[in-house]
Amino acid sequence: DAGVTQSPTHLIKTRGQQVTLRCSPKSGHDTVSWYQQALGQGPQFIFQYYEEEERQRGNFPDRFSGHQFPNYSSELNVNALLLGDSALYLCASSAWGADTQYFGPGTRLTVL
Amino acid sequence: GESVGLHLPTLSVQEGDNSIINCAYSNSASDYFIWYKQESGKGPQFIIDIRSNMDKRQGQRVTVLLNKTVKHLSLQIAATQPGDSAVYFCAESRSGYSTLTFGKGTMLLVSP
Repeated sequence: DAGVTQSPTHLIKTRGQQVTLRCSPKSGHDTVSWYQQALGQGPQFIFQYYEEEERQRGNFPDRFSGHQFPNYSSELNVNALLLGDSALYLCASSAWGADTQYFGPGTRLTVL
Repeated sequence: GESVGLHLPTLSVQEGDNSIINCAYSNSASDYFIWYKQESGKGPQFIIDIRSNMDKRQGQRVTVLLNKTVKHLSLQIAATQPGDSAVYFCAESRSGYSTLTFGKGTMLLVSP
């Protein structure tokens, strides 16, 4: 049973560029949530997707956007990258309505 | 805003000891709590969860205690092993919202 997968593992970008991160949820899950984890901090909720729509959003600017595909996989897009966007980006999947979320290995984004 | 916090940033124990990691939460509306283990370079791994209608739940070598009166959560690890060394996060959520709010984490160091 495949768990949550994310790609790429690592990414280096420069300020002002745009980035797309990808996530495939655990088998049987239809809901994907994205979190940002700065070094030494706990993950912070960005947004959640279900049925290809953004259902909930945390306190992140519009530069952060997402998408969910019919196969439940998801993308996180960040535009106009800032140095402060450097972090580990985590994807978590769950069944809609369930509380337990399972995390992927994350994508380490470095903005220079 | 309201958040979950941890009392001890680092906990050092000897192999075979019992470990206790504490967490305080401030959102009285939270009714679901979860502990994650995060090893270096990896995503958070589910350990155990508990709902607010319970005060104790046991898993394999782990026990979570919930004290709603003082808004306190703890994770007990029996017979701690070197492989338990990691950062441990508690997180809380509210039914119907399914977004997790994390604290900063506690690093557990287990010496052989």
